Amino acid sequence: GQNIDQPTEMTATEGAIVQINCTYQTSGFNGLFWYQQHAGEAPTFLSYNVLDGLEEKGRFSSFLSRSKGYSYLLLKELQMKDSASYLCAVRDSNYQLIWGAGTKLIIKP
Amino acid sequence: ETGVTQTPRHLVMGMTNKKSLKCEQHLGHNAMYWYKQSAKKPLELMFVYNFKEQTENNSVPSRFSPECPNSSHLFLHLHTLQPEDSALYLCASSPKMENTEAFFGQGTRLTVV
Repeated sequence: GQNIDQPTEMTATEGAIVQINCTYQTSGFNGLFWYQQHAGEAPTFLSYNVLDGLEEKGRFSSFLSRSKGYSYLLLKELQMKDSASYLCAVRDSNYQLIWGAGTKLIIKP
Repeated sequence: ETGVTQTPRHLVMGMTNKKSLKCEQHLGHNAMYWYKQSAKKPLELMFVYNFKEQTENNSVPSRFSPECPNSSHLFLHLHTLQPEDSALYLCASSPKMENTEAFFGQGTRLTVV
């Protein structure tokens, strides 16, 4: 079966760095996505990786290793507004998006 | 604001009711999706429409019936639902199915009593 694993919840301190991991087992691979979802709001697109390596976008970076079926989202200089759920999703060989259950990130002052 | 609008935002319905969820996008996208989001569970893809044609139906019960009258509008008709159908229903769109990014609406919080 297809599976996306990510931690259920993480806690970090304002101003610090946090890494959210995602491992996947899918039938084929056509890219990995990270979305941010604040409580009661729509998921919004953060990043897309299709090749191995690190993609940096401001305070957020996303890393992919296809051989290991592994990705992480790195958030630097954490702000209170970063408190949200972070969803990892992989597009399989049929271009279907397979989603993880999300990681709830709690930022403390 | 993502450009995808869903109504209503909240809905409470009895098991014998019939209701419809509406999704609208004017982004010029050709693919539209219905997802179900339950607490602490992955997003579940329910239906996909590509150029107004339904391409996926992931074993969704017939009490959920989608309708796509044009490329800008998507409906989800609900009838004789069960309490376990209570969830957040999200609509999304993308320029095409193979596109890198999907734009989500804020969802309809459905409670079945």
